[in-house]
Amino acid sequence: AQSVTQLGSHVSVSEGALVLLRCNYSSSVPPYLFWYVQYPNQGLQLLLKYTSAATLVKGINGFEAEFKKSETSFHLTKPSAHMSDAAEYFCAVRVGQGAQKLVFGQGTRLTINP
Amino acid sequence: DAGVIQSPRHEVTEMGQEVTLRCKPISGHDYLFWYRQTMMRGLELLIYFNNNVPIDDSGMPEDRFSAKMPNASFSTLKIQPSEPRDSAVYFCASSGLGARTDTQYFGPGTRLTVL
Repeated sequence: AQSVTQLGSHVSVSEGALVLLRCNYSSSVPPYLFWYVQYPNQGLQLLLKYTSAATLVKGINGFEAEFKKSETSFHLTKPSAHMSDAAEYFCAVRVGQGAQKLVFGQGTRLTINP
Repeated sequence: DAGVIQSPRHEVTEMGQEVTLRCKPISGHDYLFWYRQTMMRGLELLIYFNNNVPIDDSGMPEDRFSAKMPNASFSTLKIQPSEPRDSAVYFCASSGLGARTDTQYFGPGTRLTVL
């Protein structure tokens, strides 16, 4: 069964520092992977998605993620953190080929220190 | 497009009362999802519909929960009777429409408090 594991429920970085949020997946089929962001008191919105094309995926707000099959990872990065990046981030994997159901990780809360 | 619309945004009720949450998906989307988010359990998929038909309700916690989708533009999630442990944020999401079928668009959520 498809699943994702996010390493670290809380990550804290200084403004301007590198952001790295970790996600490992488990999937019996080529995975479709997603990163969503949730700002306080809002719903989730898509940051980026991997759908078996380029392994380096660029998303909104300067975020990107690299799909590494050998490591079963899909880590999210941003070169320079901004205060507005403070939010909760969720990694997700699509369940089954052609399916619409997503399985989400537990989330990582990102805090930005001034 | 207005996005996914949920109502009410906040609901406070007493234990034993019936609660109805409402969702209007994005026009043209043919999948609709109901999620529940709590600190303890994170984001859980409760049920999802395709073309108004329930496909997977394995996440519905118990018989007190029911969901319907009478037409393509409206869905409800009902809890009867409500209990304090049902307190959570409930999200509705929709997907579909051509090349964007993989992306689920979430509503702002309904924050439910059961006293």
